[in-house]
Amino acid sequence: QSVLTQPPSVSGAPGQRVAISCTGSSSNIGAGYDVHWYQYLPGTAPKLLIYGNTNRPSGVPDRFSGSRSGISASLVISGLQVEDEADYYCQSYDRSLASSLFGGGTKLAVL
Amino acid sequence: EVQLVQSGAVVKKPGESLRLSCEGSRYSFNNYWIGWVRHVSGKGLEWMGIMYPGDHDTRYSPSFRGQVTMSVDKTTNTAYLQWTSLKASDTAMYYCARAPRDHGSGLDIWGRGTRVTVSS
Repeated sequence: QSVLTQPPSVSGAPGQRVAISCTGSSSNIGAGYDVHWYQYLPGTAPKLLIYGNTNRPSGVPDRFSGSRSGISASLVISGLQVEDEADYYCQSYDRSLASSLFGGGTKLAVL
Repeated sequence: EVQLVQSGAVVKKPGESLRLSCEGSRYSFNNYWIGWVRHVSGKGLEWMGIMYPGDHDTRYSPSFRGQVTMSVDKTTNTAYLQWTSLKASDTAMYYCARAPRDHGSGLDIWGRGTRVTVSS
């Protein structure tokens, strides 16, 4: 069981909107530590989608958005496209571990 | 273009030592943290640790402390991840990535990864 909990899988049809949650605790997200999100296709380099809870790096489409509230954070993908099919990971810092960590990952299927 | 170039895939035997490299280019190497991330096939991404080349400040994940050693050579803008005695369970893809800050910025530039296979 990951310290940062993500749903194992989510799915949606092209054009739809999906949300991926990342639930932590008062030791990490709830303590105010920033959450970052990555898109990952195994065997390729992960891609930073959202940093600092809500910020998109240059080049990331505005279909991707992030938020944080309490002990949770969310990644929302609007206007789903087939090429969005990938694994998505949240990342934050845990003060009890004194280390950053990733969530368990969520596989997105675009049906 | 800012880049992190990682060393090539390796096959090793249990008990052997290994050092992976990650060379940064086209940015101020000393002023960005370098993190290491493991991906075991079929599992999730794992944070191994992060190091600041400027002062060698190094922070290991509890899961990897004592298992690996991170280092840098500022003269060649290269970060290293090394093992003294590999196990079969070290078989994985290893990524290096750059971070503007220790934990407030995310990993913005990634290497392509090095596949490590440990098998007798």
